Amino acid sequence: EIMMTQSPATLSVSPGEGATLSCRASQNIYSNLAWYQQRPGQAPRLLIHGASTRATGVPARFSGTGSGTDFTLTITSLQSEDFAVYYCQEYESWPPRATFGGGTKVQI
Amino acid sequence: QLQLQESGPGLVKPSETLSLTCTVSGGSINSDHYYWGWIRQPPGEGLEWIGSVFSSVNTYYNPSLKSRVTISIDASKNKFSLRLSSVTAADTSVYYCVRHVGATAAHAFDVWGQGTMVTVSS
Repeated sequence: EIMMTQSPATLSVSPGEGATLSCRASQNIYSNLAWYQQRPGQAPRLLIHGASTRATGVPARFSGTGSGTDFTLTITSLQSEDFAVYYCQEYESWPPRATFGGGTKVQI
Repeated sequence: QLQLQESGPGLVKPSETLSLTCTVSGGSINSDHYYWGWIRQPPGEGLEWIGSVFSSVNTYYNPSLKSRVTISIDASKNKFSLRLSSVTAADTSVYYCVRHVGATAAHAFDVWGQGTMVTVSS
């Protein structure tokens, strides 16, 4: 079973600054990784799949990098609406498990 | 624009069966060749994939829930459903219906319902 670990658990950032979120897989997942944003009281929203491909409508200030076991979500110049919880999810497992990381809360 | 909407009881008694339905609008559940699934989130916690289905032919379930879960599609009504039996308080969660990015259960989830809160309590 693939385990997904996100760090840090909480990240305090000022508006306009950048943020770097990490996600580590317990084994090689190639580029089979997605990132989601969840604002309070809302459903998660897909930001990135394939480790680096932005989903439709996602602003360019969100970028994903990495492959294998180590992945990064970078947010440049945080806007007020970017303060949320971010989850990574692997989809390398077969049969599928769709394991999520524990999340990183980006707060002001 | 494709939209998903969950519906079902907000309160279920312990040991009973939780049943939820997801209505798909803005697209056809049958002709679009996607996997459809369910994800849950206990209050204040992270996300857990429950399972996914394709045309009622192929289904995949989280091994930790497999013995209690059934996901099915009713293409004539453009809906898919979740049944989770023998529920306990640990099943109290917000339940989301979702669509996979493509015609595979091994992919990301690009469309989400708004979620429905289900509480297990007597």
